[in-house]
Amino acid sequence: QVQLQESGPGLVKPSETLSLTCSVSGGSVSSDSYYWSWIRQPPGKGLEWIGYVYDRGSTNYNPPLKSRVTISVDTSKNQFSLKLSSVTAADTAVYYCASVTRGYHIDYWGQGTLVTVSS
Amino acid sequence: DIQMTQSPSSVSASVGDRVTITCRASQGISSWSAWYQQKPGKAPKLLIYGASSLQSGVPSRFSGSGSGTDFTLTISSLQPEDFATYYCQQANSFPLTFGGGTKVEIK
Repeated sequence: QVQLQESGPGLVKPSETLSLTCSVSGGSVSSDSYYWSWIRQPPGKGLEWIGYVYDRGSTNYNPPLKSRVTISVDTSKNQFSLKLSSVTAADTAVYYCASVTRGYHIDYWGQGTLVTVSS
Repeated sequence: DIQMTQSPSSVSASVGDRVTITCRASQGISSWSAWYQQKPGKAPKLLIYGASSLQSGVPSRFSGSGSGTDFTLTISSLQPEDFATYYCQQANSFPLTFGGGTKVEIK
């Protein structure tokens, strides 16, 4: 069973870069079984898929965020990471890392981490 | 992008009631849909994938149906632990997109 755990700062200043890491256990980020993804949820709102890293480095991002997002993988630590640049208050959300199957459904989620953008 | 329109946005129901939630895709997605349950402060949990396949460990009172553009999640007999928010998701193509959610509340 795959387990995922997000880590990173809970507070980021406007215009700066949000950085989060997801540690994976019970599965390998080198595997092509999963699209290792980030998903976010603003307080009281719905879910937004941010992007994935797959098969040791291929990436795909949601178009509205594409210019600001980088997702990368560290196979030596079995982790993948999210960087979101030039953040504003609209980027305040709970950020989840998740494993998206080859059938494009999400079978495992991290517990989520709240990131607040504020000065 | 494929839009997912979910209804109703909220429903009030009693323990033992049958509850049905619907989701409509903006284009045909065959059976590529999924349903999730989310409780406050928790991550979503996969209930149904492939429109009608029950995820391991999920009670059989949950069922999914549909294909093409119209999908349904049914809870046959609502239990106290089922009060939560439910989301549909299209699993046809990236970017993955979700419905707006349905909050199932106690009547």
